[in-house]
Amino acid sequence: DQQVKQNSPSLSVQEGRISILNCDYTNSMFDYFLWYKKYPAEGPTFLISISSIKDKNEDGRFTVFLNKSAKHLSLHIVPSQPGDSAVYFCAASSSGGSNYKLTFGKGTLLTVNP
Amino acid sequence: DAGVTQSPTHLIKTRGQQVTLRCSPKSGHDTVSWYQQALGQGPQFIFQYYEEEERQRGNFPDRFSGHQFPNYSSELNVNALLLGDSALYLCASSLQREELFYNEQFFGPGTRLTVL
Repeated sequence: DQQVKQNSPSLSVQEGRISILNCDYTNSMFDYFLWYKKYPAEGPTFLISISSIKDKNEDGRFTVFLNKSAKHLSLHIVPSQPGDSAVYFCAASSSGGSNYKLTFGKGTLLTVNP
Repeated sequence: DAGVTQSPTHLIKTRGQQVTLRCSPKSGHDTVSWYQQALGQGPQFIFQYYEEEERQRGNFPDRFSGHQFPNYSSELNVNALLLGDSALYLCASSLQREELFYNEQFFGPGTRLTVL
């Protein structure tokens, strides 16, 4: 069973516009959420994270929103740039004994067109 | 400052063979996790090593085993390879700090394993 779901395999946006990537989770024990970006032939690189005690976290052009009641989070990229084109993975972790394991979604391929 | 390194980059094996993948963590890191990323899927947690012991394990059979050395580097061993073991194997390292809510994991570029 997939505990972290990214239902959009791909997303295409124009340079300068907003990119919104979505993620849903089912496990109520998850309390820390992360977004990773992955280029071909490279490992995933950490982008931004949010704890379940917050509903928003911002870092430059990247903002992550968390809706706990809906078990939904989203990543906003504004403005989008061609260099943002990559696969974006949503990941989740739970505190306590399981806080070392990341559970990933399948990823969304973002293409930013010049 | 070297990041996480993995070797080899690519590997081709046949069914039934055994394989060993290697990982050197980021300088200063003491914890190593291994993930399997099949084509079109997200990374799946295999296990994690800390203080040379397996601390947590995902839903993988005993054919998957590992080891951590005193210098914190790690190996992933897979026995009796199946076609379904073909995947990108990612190593991630982190520094265990109990005062932090979450210890960020840094990923290596992965080893691409093809089983024929």
